[in-house]
Amino acid sequence: DIVMTQSPDSLAVSLGERATINCKSSQSILYTSDNNNYLAWYQQRPGQPPRLLIYWASTRESGVPDRFSGSGSGTDFTLTISSLQAEDVAVYYCQQYYNPPLTFGPGTKVDIK
Amino acid sequence: EVQLLESGGGLVQPGGSLRLSCAASGFTFSSYAMTWVRQAPGKGLEWVSSISGGGAGTYYPDSVNGRFTISRDNSKNTLYLHMNSLRADDTAVYYCAKYLTGESVNHPFFDCWGQGTLVTVSS
Repeated sequence: DIVMTQSPDSLAVSLGERATINCKSSQSILYTSDNNNYLAWYQQRPGQPPRLLIYWASTRESGVPDRFSGSGSGTDFTLTISSLQAEDVAVYYCQQYYNPPLTFGPGTKVDIK
Repeated sequence: EVQLLESGGGLVQPGGSLRLSCAASGFTFSSYAMTWVRQAPGKGLEWVSSISGGGAGTYYPDSVNGRFTISRDNSKNTLYLHMNSLRADDTAVYYCAKYLTGESVNHPFFDCWGQGTLVTVSS
């Protein structure tokens, strides 16, 4: 199974400041035949189901604010919130879909400083 | 508006069985693969099962393979999860979710999620 790790476990950022979350896979999730990274990011606000933010590592889902961006390739990926808003307080998960079983990272909790 | 509504959760004894349902609306149900993902209390997300749009393809991780069965009734726009031989570590909120990409399970990322239904396995 592909193991996903995330860092940090949690972070507190001032409103309007940048938040950066890292995700690492235990093997490359870049599919060379289509040159896509098989990685998604989800946001889970307290008491809510997950919400898809990013797929193919950097494609923003419809309706997701452009302050959210994804980057990276191979085994190392980053979710960036360029200007943190109060409604961004949540746990963020990465997920690989390169190989079954689908696996998620352990989550990164983002709070307001 | 896409809506997914899970039901069927509850308290069950170890070794027992339960069937979860997920009623879908707002989209052409048969055109999309579907999945179940669970979340133990205070923990992260774990994929449980997926099914193709037509229902012919079903997929499970080792942790539930042989105990859980995913199915769908496209005439009723409903997804199911039949759970047998339940264990304490199956205790979780179970979410159904819709594949973004269509009826194939090839690209499993999920754009719409239900609110979840809680399954508690305890004596």
